[in-house]
Amino acid sequence: SQQGEEDPQALSIQEGENATMNCSYKTSINNLQWYRQNSGRGLVHLILIRSNEREKHSGRLRVTLDTSKKSSSLLITASRAADTASYFCAPLIQGAQKLVFGQGTRLTINP
Amino acid sequence: SAVISQKPSRDICQRGTSLTIQCQVDSQVTMMFWYRQQPGQSLTLIATANQGSEATYESGFVIDKFPISRPNLTFSTLTVSNMSPEDSSIYLCSVEASGIWGEQFFGPGTRLTVL
Repeated sequence: SQQGEEDPQALSIQEGENATMNCSYKTSINNLQWYRQNSGRGLVHLILIRSNEREKHSGRLRVTLDTSKKSSSLLITASRAADTASYFCAPLIQGAQKLVFGQGTRLTINP
Repeated sequence: SAVISQKPSRDICQRGTSLTIQCQVDSQVTMMFWYRQQPGQSLTLIATANQGSEATYESGFVIDKFPISRPNLTFSTLTVSNMSPEDSSIYLCSVEASGIWGEQFFGPGTRLTVL
């Protein structure tokens, strides 16, 4: 399978704590994108990191990419209840113009 | 990023019938994609829809079951034909943004329940 695979499958933390989600993939990529999905609705695009980038920030989000290990991580700092959602990584496979999604991480922020 | 809308947002249908889902984008885009998300599952690409050519279907998806139209650069439809309860899913369209190659933005999805 060429899926992006997220770890952990579920994560529950207290509001204000940091949340870290990991993603692994199996083939060479052009970029890797992270998405958020609230309660079975559409996906919200969070951040894209190119294969030649190692780290990227957007507000409270920090994404890292290690192409040698074929892995990425998403860090959400100072979590809020509104961050409760499922988070998906989606590698863009090199040579193919399509994203492959894993099962996602279900993040729950407890007040 | 593009603003994407889908119609309907949800529907409940009887088995054996068909439903056409519309996807509208507020700007012209070359690449549009249709995904399916079965309950509790991840997203699976159904097909890629390019304007002026036949859609390209992924393994396991066929045109007779999921016919797609792409009449212009801002609009596409996906039809779910001869539905069965196994077709109950969220169907999402996405578009590739023009700024960064491969960057995709998604519509709000259509939640389909087949009885």
